[in-house]
Amino acid sequence: SQTIHQWPATLVQPVGSPLSLECTVEGTSNPNLYWYRQAAGRGLQLLFYSVGIGQISSEVPQNLSASRPQDRQFILSSKKLLLSDSGFYLCAWSDGNHPYEQYFGPGTRLTVT
Amino acid sequence: AQSVTQLDSQVPVFEEAPVELRCNYSSSVSVYLFWYVQYPNQGLQLLLKYLSGSTLVKGINGFEAEFNKSQTSFHLRKPSVHISDTAEYFCAVIRADSWGKLQFGAGTQVVVTP
Repeated sequence: SQTIHQWPATLVQPVGSPLSLECTVEGTSNPNLYWYRQAAGRGLQLLFYSVGIGQISSEVPQNLSASRPQDRQFILSSKKLLLSDSGFYLCAWSDGNHPYEQYFGPGTRLTVT
Repeated sequence: AQSVTQLDSQVPVFEEAPVELRCNYSSSVSVYLFWYVQYPNQGLQLLLKYLSGSTLVKGINGFEAEFNKSQTSFHLRKPSVHISDTAEYFCAVIRADSWGKLQFGAGTQVVVTP
């Protein structure tokens, strides 16, 4: 069966520091991968999605970026965090042939201080 | 453009009572519809989905939803709730032409009390 991992589970970072969140999927190959952010008052928002290694699409302009160095690895990064980057970051995957069923990881709680 | 509206931000309900969570959407093209549940500090779990076919969809944990195209609604129901159903519930849609980009409603917090 497929499983999705995210780490760290929680993170407290000062403003201006860099960020790296990691997501990995097991038990499937060539998945579609997604990063969502859940922030207070702003609901759940799709940030990035990827259909393959090195293929990243951005949905929302911001100071975040995403990379997919391996088939089942998806990384969310920032060079300098803002207070507004605080939130709950969720990674999700779907089968490459069935993008309509997305399965979510446990999430990373990021607090920028 | 499309939008997803969950009409209730919070729904208090007694244990063993029925519950209905309302969701309306607007879209100029066909959509696929989903309900997700989120327990505190956890990721989202897919409850049920409507892609095509029968408009009454049954999901996990005794939940069901009905797609009403004329009213552009996809309301979620459970005939008898348990304490463990306390969670936040999200309605979501994907446009048929948007490849898999989920758009979520604001969520409905369900609080089940004895």
